[in-house]
Parts: sequence; C-alpha cells; structure tokens
Amino acid sequence: DTAVSQTPKYLVTQMGNDKSIKCEQNLGHDTMYWYKQDSKKFLKIMFSYNNKELIINETVPNRFSPKSPDKAHLNLHINSLELGDSAVYFCASSPWDGVGRAGQGLNGGYTFGSGTRLTVV
Amino acid sequence: AQSVTQPDIHITVSEGASLELRCNYSYGATPYLFWYVQSPGQGLQLLLKYFSGDTLVQGIKGFEAEFKRSQSSFNLRKPSVHWSDAAEYFCAVDEYNNNDMRFGAGTRLTVKP
Repeated sequence: DTAVSQTPKYLVTQMGNDKSIKCEQNLGHDTMYWYKQDSKKFLKIMFSYNNKELIINETVPNRFSPKSPDKAHLNLHINSLELGDSAVYFCASSPWDGVGRAGQGLNGGYTFGSGTRLTVV
Repeated sequence: AQSVTQPDIHITVSEGASLELRCNYSYGATPYLFWYVQSPGQGLQLLLKYFSGDTLVQGIKGFEAEFKRSQSSFNLRKPSVHWSDAAEYFCAVDEYNNNDMRFGAGTRLTVKP
C-alpha cells in the first residue's frame, strides 16, 4: 500500500494546455505539500495545506492552483502551461497538526510521493 | 531566514570506502535536521533526523549523522559504502514555528567499483 501516491507519473503536454496532478496519502497525516524539483535537483516548496486549509503559498505563478477536497488529497492544477514549468513535482505529507513544527516528534518529517515528471513541449 | 548549504555538488567514492557528506545550516534556534536520499527516478526517502538529545543519530541503511552546534553542521557518514548507495542526498532543516522544511541543493554520490 503506497503511503503517498501521485498520478500521473509522467505527463507530456503542449504549451498553453491545462493539466492536473493528483496526490493522495493514506497515512492519516494532517498536512500535505507540493514541491517542485528543477533540472538541477533543487527542491522548492510551493504550497502546503493543513486540514484542507492553505498554510504556505510561496511565490508561485497564479497559474498554479492547489485544491484539497479533504485532508487525504491535495491536487495541483496548472493553467496555460509554459516551457519553464517542466520539472518533477513531488507531493508530500507530514503529521504536523497546525501547532509547533512540522518535523517534530518521533514521526516527524515528510513522506514523499514518487514524483510526477512534467514535460512541456 | 534559514538556509541549508551542501558544499559538495558531487562526490565519488570507491565501494567499501567511508563516506562523509557535509551539511551546514544558518539558523538561530535549535533546528530540526534531516537527511533524505533520492535514488534515480524515485521520490525522497528519510534516512535519519535530529530533534534533540544525543547528537549522534543513527538512521537506516547504515547511515549516521552528527549534529555539531558549534560548527552549525549536520554531516552524514557511512563507514563502508555499497554500490546501491549511489543516489542524490539532501539535507533539510525545519524552521521553528513554521510548517515547512527547506532543503539543501543536494549532493550526488557516485560509487566506483
């Protein structure tokens, strides 16, 4: 049973299209995240949601819109895709309950999905 | 703002040799520190973490890391590297009273036969 699952694993699309990436976690975690990993492997946080509420919204173009229907799901919708959006997108979850620090406790730290490689042509 | 620095972009070691990957952070309070490993085409897997207490922490796959407050470092070590350890390694820090972790740029490990 995969703890954090993302679909699709690969996504190739043309510029200007709209696409979505789905993420689901079965760990019972309260918080979910989207990270973008660029071609140099640098990981940058994009969004985080705690119990369906947006907590972190880094400087990301508003073409990117996360949606959390429930605390087990965090989807990422991207409008008007551009070449520069090509990257690997990782979903993650943590047991952070909205208080203190995300990494705390014996179960602290993030659990990552296996990533979605988005290629915009 | 916190930052995490991994000074080595790429390290090559021979199989069976010892390994040390460096990580430095700039942070005022007691950080929570993590090491993650990413195999090619895979997601990130947590190797180990430090919250408090004993500054030498043991992780999975035979890895350990030592927190040195005086040097603001959290270096990852392994006494004998296996070919399957070839991967990208990320150090990360959790900022106090926040809910996101920040990652270093990563160190790519190549293992020679």
